[in-house]
Amino acid sequence: ETGVTQTPRHLVMGMTNKKSLKCEQHLGHNAMYWYKQSAKKPLELMFVYNFKEQTENNSVPSRFSPECPNSSHLFLHLHTLQPEDSALYLCASSQDQGSFYEQYFGPGTRLTVT
Amino acid sequence: AQSVTQLDSQVPVFEEAPVELRCNYSSSVSVYLFWYVQYPNQGLQLLLKYLSGSTLVKGINGFEAEFNKSQTSFHLRKPSVHISDTAEYFCAVSGDTGGFKTIFGAGTRLFVKA
Repeated sequence: ETGVTQTPRHLVMGMTNKKSLKCEQHLGHNAMYWYKQSAKKPLELMFVYNFKEQTENNSVPSRFSPECPNSSHLFLHLHTLQPEDSALYLCASSQDQGSFYEQYFGPGTRLTVT
Repeated sequence: AQSVTQLDSQVPVFEEAPVELRCNYSSSVSVYLFWYVQYPNQGLQLLLKYLSGSTLVKGINGFEAEFNKSQTSFHLRKPSVHISDTAEYFCAVSGDTGGFKTIFGAGTRLFVKA
């Protein structure tokens, strides 16, 4: 595997379910990100981790719970979601957490909450 | 606070015609500017970036962009587009404003017609 991978690619869940999204980067990067992409809206930064430590929580509801066990893996645990949480969830990584570092994105998980 | 405005939500163009996708930003400090492309069912990938130096930046797939500080713009251009350039294009800005966040625009959908 190369680059940034995400599983699953598609997920349908009910509002009472609990599920997790997984992201893995094979680039040796130190920073990892979760973004939410909704139609016709700019990308919304959700969480940032640098060297496994959370450095940013962009006022995300507690029904989204991130986990970063090491610099290569990032999870997003989901529970009691709402229909408006349906979106494409993108994971990204960068060499370090800095303004001039480009980000490398995974293909995303298309989440539908029913 | 930094912000990014992509002036066109959709740009239809015929194959082999030139195209310009417009991006304006607001920031009171030095900025780093990026263009990303997102093909259907994929994550974002970097087209080009401006960090410093020459204001004309060349990227992949024949794209280029020009940083214009006085007009706070970073427009993306290609002299002759192909059907395969049909995608969503995102302008992004980051800078040293006490944070490391990259702010993305809402995207411009480029549709290349035969």
